[in-house]
Amino acid sequence: EIVLTQSPGTLSLSAGERATLSCRASQSVSSDYLAWYQQKPGQAPRLLIYGASSRATGIPDRFSGSGSGTDFTLTISRLEPEDFAVYYCQQYSSSRTFGQGTKVEIK
Amino acid sequence: QVQLVQSGSELKKPGASVKVSCKASGYTFTNYAMNWVRQAPGQGLEWMGWINTDTGNPTYAQGFTGRFVFSLDTSVSTTYLQISSLKAEDTAVYFCARTNIATAVNDYWGQGTLVTVSS
Repeated sequence: EIVLTQSPGTLSLSAGERATLSCRASQSVSSDYLAWYQQKPGQAPRLLIYGASSRATGIPDRFSGSGSGTDFTLTISRLEPEDFAVYYCQQYSSSRTFGQGTKVEIK
Repeated sequence: QVQLVQSGSELKKPGASVKVSCKASGYTFTNYAMNWVRQAPGQGLEWMGWINTDTGNPTYAQGFTGRFVFSLDTSVSTTYLQISSLKAEDTAVYFCARTNIATAVNDYWGQGTLVTVSS
């Protein structure tokens, strides 16, 4: 099983700042089958990024994904008030597993 | 538009069973696999497995064999998650999520169903 480790656990930032979230895999994620989701309290996860760097339909361009192999990054260029949430990475190249999540909170 | 609508919250006693439904609309049901994901209170997402909606063949993740059963009824475009011999630790929100046929990612999600197991 591919284990995904996200860091940091919590990111305290202000609106307008840049957020950089990391996701490290225990083994290589083939075909860059790595996705990022946003989840707000009481809601289902929302797909942001798939294939490591492709934005899902309707996702603003302030969200970007990068990386390959075992190291992946989600960047939010300028945080908007609605971006404060929990973010999960997921690999879907070998079965499916999620990282433990990164909470982006208001500083 | 694509929609996945799940059944409502359930309160069950330990040892009982529960069946959660996920009704799909807005696309050809049998063309897209369906996944189930668990989220315990205050915890992260845990992938439970998936069901091939064309053949009905289920695949279960580690830790979700035995008491967990995925099924479907193609006549009503609905997949089901049944959990038997419920335990307190099964208390969680359960989500269904479609697998996009082109990208393999889970693109659409149901709203979630809270299952509470308490005596």
